[in-house]
Amino acid sequence: QKEVEQNSGPLSVPEGAIASLNCTYSDRGSQSFFWYRQYSGKSPELIMFIYSNGDKEDGRFTAQLNKASQYVSLLIRDSQPSDSATYLCAVRDFGNEKLTFGTGTRLTIIP
Amino acid sequence: ETGVTQSPTHLIKTRGQQVTLRCSSQSGHNTVSWYQQALGQGPQFIFQYYREEENGRGNFPPRFSGLQFPNYSSELNVNALELDDSALYLCASSLLHRYGYTFGSGTRLTVV
Repeated sequence: QKEVEQNSGPLSVPEGAIASLNCTYSDRGSQSFFWYRQYSGKSPELIMFIYSNGDKEDGRFTAQLNKASQYVSLLIRDSQPSDSATYLCAVRDFGNEKLTFGTGTRLTIIP
Repeated sequence: ETGVTQSPTHLIKTRGQQVTLRCSSQSGHNTVSWYQQALGQGPQFIFQYYREEENGRGNFPPRFSGLQFPNYSSELNVNALELDDSALYLCASSLLHRYGYTFGSGTRLTVV
């Protein structure tokens, strides 16, 4: 059974600080990794995906992947109150469209 | 470019009834996947359709079934509804083997 683990939180971060979200996965065959943001009562929204070891940056967001340690993280710089949401980590195997999601980390940015 | 649309947005059904949820995929996307998200959980993969054929299925019983139409829209059917079927049902479209799902706004199903 493939598993994706996330700390459910809540994680509270002051406005303007860096929020760090972590995710570990059990299947070494996982190839692609996704971060989704989900506001309460809304559907998930894709923030970033990453498939190579190292860092990938997009604006205030940086995804980090370490396949040897089987973890992926998301950094949010200059956190804003609008970043308050649940962040879902998801993994996908090569050639398989199924995404396996973690339970999500609830992030609260404190003004 | 239109996004993924789902209908209805909310639905209340009685245990034992049947329900059909609908999804129109994003323009140009040929693959549709359905997910179930219970409260406080991550989405769980139900199944995926590509070119009108089921192309993968998660750990859901046969009373969960689906269809994909030539225009790539899709339906999710659930028979013999149970209380535990109460959840947000999400449809996601993509280009097969291309990165990134686009999720619809979801259908909130309540079984009483």
